[in-house]
Amino acid sequence: TQLLEQSPQFLSIQEGENLTVYCNSSSVFSSLQWYRQEPGEGPVLLVTVVTGGEVKKLKRLTFQFGDARKDSSLHITAAQPGDTGLYLCAGAGGTSYGKLTFGQGTILTVHP
Amino acid sequence: DTAVSQTPKYLVTQMGNDKSIKCEQNLGHDTMYWYKQDSKKFLKIMFSYNNKELIINETVPNRFSPKSPDKAHLNLHINSLELGDSAVYFCASSQGYAGANYGYTFGSGTRLTVV
Repeated sequence: TQLLEQSPQFLSIQEGENLTVYCNSSSVFSSLQWYRQEPGEGPVLLVTVVTGGEVKKLKRLTFQFGDARKDSSLHITAAQPGDTGLYLCAGAGGTSYGKLTFGQGTILTVHP
Repeated sequence: DTAVSQTPKYLVTQMGNDKSIKCEQNLGHDTMYWYKQDSKKFLKIMFSYNNKELIINETVPNRFSPKSPDKAHLNLHINSLELGDSAVYFCASSQGYAGANYGYTFGSGTRLTVV
């Protein structure tokens, strides 16, 4: 079974700070996806990274896929209260063929 | 609006009852899923269907029976509900089967509470 270890589990920071969330596995994935979930709602896709070493930017969010396609990171610059939520990484492919395997999630709270 | 919609949003029921959750997507996606999110927010796949065919059944008790009347609908019926079934259940869909490069679109969830 492919596992995704996500860290940290909880992150509480002040507005304006930078942060990084990590998603690690011993297995290779075809792609890594990042989702954000708000209370009472389903996860919403932020980005999919496919190529080893790939970097994608979404405004203040930077996503990176490791060269070996076993890990990924999400970096947020100058966090804002609106970034508060649950961030989930999910891997596809390999023995996760036909489904997404999710990490445990990171609960981010950004204080004004 | 194009979306994945699931009903009901909240479900409170007694142990031993039978209940159903309905899901519909109007995105034209080929594959639909049921995921269970536990109290620690961990999302685990239960089932996936591709064009009405069951593809994944992930070691789920047979009290849980999915049904897909067509590729736009995937319902979940649960028999003899137990306390441990309390969780949030999410329906999702994706274009294509493997989902490797296809993001999932999730419904807003059904919070099931068994008392």
